[in-house]
Amino acid sequence: QVQLQQWGAGLLKPSETLSLTCGVSGGSFIGYYWTWIRQPPGKGLEWIGEVVHSGSPNYSPSLRSRVTISVDTSSYQFSLKLKSVSAADTAVYYCARGRYFEYWGPGSLVTVSS
Amino acid sequence: DIQMTQSPSSVSASIGDRVTITCRASEDISDWLGWYQQRPGEAPKLLIHYASALNTGVPSRFSGGGSGTHFTLTISSLHPEDFATYYCHQASGFPPFTFGPGTKVDVK
Repeated sequence: QVQLQQWGAGLLKPSETLSLTCGVSGGSFIGYYWTWIRQPPGKGLEWIGEVVHSGSPNYSPSLRSRVTISVDTSSYQFSLKLKSVSAADTAVYYCARGRYFEYWGPGSLVTVSS
Repeated sequence: DIQMTQSPSSVSASIGDRVTITCRASEDISDWLGWYQQRPGEAPKLLIHYASALNTGVPSRFSGGGSGTHFTLTISSLHPEDFATYYCHQASGFPPFTFGPGTKVDVK
């Protein structure tokens, strides 16, 4: 059974860098897209970007200037960094597998507050 | 970017009701569409991919249809656990792979 676990800082100040990691267990890491999605409190889902083990990442145009998604195939992990955060980046951040997201992490609430 | 819209934004229904949600894409996405169910406090759950293919373990009361720019999700007979928010999501072509704004199904 594929499982995704997430970890990273949950409280940031404005201008800091958000950093989250997603670890994958119970399935293959190779050959899949690995995706980050976020959901502001009470709002809908926003696709942030994706990475595949052998290719370049793809990002949402609205976040491209601030986001980096990287992958560590040997550790079955992929990571999200979002720099220069503001209150508008407060959200639950999810990691997920694929282009159709059959497997999701539990979500990480990241709050940006001074 | 491809824009996704959903209607209605919310629907009030009773146990046993048939519920249909519509999703429209701003351009042709063929059948590159997924439907997700999200209950409060939980991660979304994939119900349907490729517009009409039921994901493993999803009850048969859920069905998806459509292609191109017009899609539907139908719950044939509403169960108590189906009260949730439903999102469509396009996975066509190039990123970003956008979600619809969601449809909340609540108790009438």
